Amino acid sequence: SQQGEEDPQALSIQEGENATMNCSYKTSINNLQWYRQNSGRGLVHLILIRSNEREKHSGRLRVTLDTSKKSSSLLITASRAADTASYFCATMNSGGYQKVTFGIGTKLQVIP
Amino acid sequence: DVKVTQSSRYLVKRTGEKVFLECVQDMDHENMFWYRQDPGLGLRLIYFSYDVKMKEKGDIPEGYSVSREKKERFSLILESASTNQTSMYLCASSLSRIFTNNQPQHFGDGTRLSIL
Repeated sequence: SQQGEEDPQALSIQEGENATMNCSYKTSINNLQWYRQNSGRGLVHLILIRSNEREKHSGRLRVTLDTSKKSSSLLITASRAADTASYFCATMNSGGYQKVTFGIGTKLQVIP
Repeated sequence: DVKVTQSSRYLVKRTGEKVFLECVQDMDHENMFWYRQDPGLGLRLIYFSYDVKMKEKGDIPEGYSVSREKKERFSLILESASTNQTSMYLCASSLSRIFTNNQPQHFGDGTRLSIL
């Protein structure tokens, strides 16, 4: 079963706008990670947020984590055409052995 | 820079063949993983390994086996390929079994495998 479920499954925005993607999960986690996948390529790690953190920033990326609601959001500010990709959340369960469970992803299209 | 290399980007095989997918990482990582990615299903873990000659089943190991004879190389084997194994296969690695938490995974570019 999928631990992380992203919402929406597809998102289309204009260049310069902000993009927000959400992720919900079911069980206790050690950390939550976000990855990007360009078409036909492997996944690239973007950011990791630990279960005791609430917010983290990296460049134009902002991730929040609400463990009481078992949800996370990824915000990309001032989007660019190059941000067009699929975005996945991934959770590492408590007591996990580096076993990470991925969601099905959000497909983001940024229109120039 | 971290590099995970998968031997083939595209592969076409026939039903019943034994298929080998190879993955090499150059970062001295202990953990290595094989996933398959299918539309609407996301990434699903097939097998992982946290040390040479060690392997653990993931969520969908049926029809697959793995081999890790050297630290840098992790092979996925389809014992007798079937059409439902047509998929994108992704290999990944991460640093250390001891530091099990808070480590990103580094992915190869994937092998798109078609079984005819």
